[in-house]
Amino acid sequence: NAGVTQTPKFQVLKTGQSMTLQCAQDMNHEYMSWYRQDPGMGLRLIHYSVGAGITDQGEVPNGYNVSRSTTEDFPLRLLSAAPSQTSVYFCASSSPGNTIYFGEGSWLTVV
Amino acid sequence: AQKVTQAQTEISVVEKEDVTLDCVYETRDTTYYLFWYKQPPSGELVFLIRRNSFDEQNEISGRYSWNFQKSTSSFNFTITASQVVDSAVYFCALDWYSGGGADGLTFGKGTHLIIQP
Repeated sequence: NAGVTQTPKFQVLKTGQSMTLQCAQDMNHEYMSWYRQDPGMGLRLIHYSVGAGITDQGEVPNGYNVSRSTTEDFPLRLLSAAPSQTSVYFCASSSPGNTIYFGEGSWLTVV
Repeated sequence: AQKVTQAQTEISVVEKEDVTLDCVYETRDTTYYLFWYKQPPSGELVFLIRRNSFDEQNEISGRYSWNFQKSTSSFNFTITASQVVDSAVYFCALDWYSGGGADGLTFGKGTHLIIQP
């Protein structure tokens, strides 16, 4: 049982490049979400999904895109990377009324 | 709107001292869930506890205890006889929907706890 798997763990991008952070869970959870963590800011919600085919915006969605074509996967796309998107990204999954599981994080640097 | 405030940015204590981390929350919902997570230097988020708004009993787990008081909208976390391995950033978080984070958690900014040997 792998839990929540995020890839890549580390990535350096140039400004303007696009990339996708992958998130997969093998627990058949309905809920999945993406957060970013910046120094002194805690974790802030980017996008979330309550099931396949359903996504919605969180607190800081600008510059990011998501889709949920399967229950297992919830990729986060950076359309045109900016230095302000340098952060640590966490994916989470859960089912109603149960523990929320987090991935190990993805460290992204945009230069 | 929901809000979680962890007023203590950083706390430093000597090993074996007791330490309390404060968490104050704001929500208009009558049903909600509160969480504590630990983030050690390695970076992962470790789940510690989830408590729903109808259960005001304090909880103890080993050296950890939690004091939930709806009257003051607080959910404080105490570590008894602290150890160096307790050094980490601790986050308090709030969820209103089902406790399962359907529409995401609202996190506080975290408290950096330093336990000195």
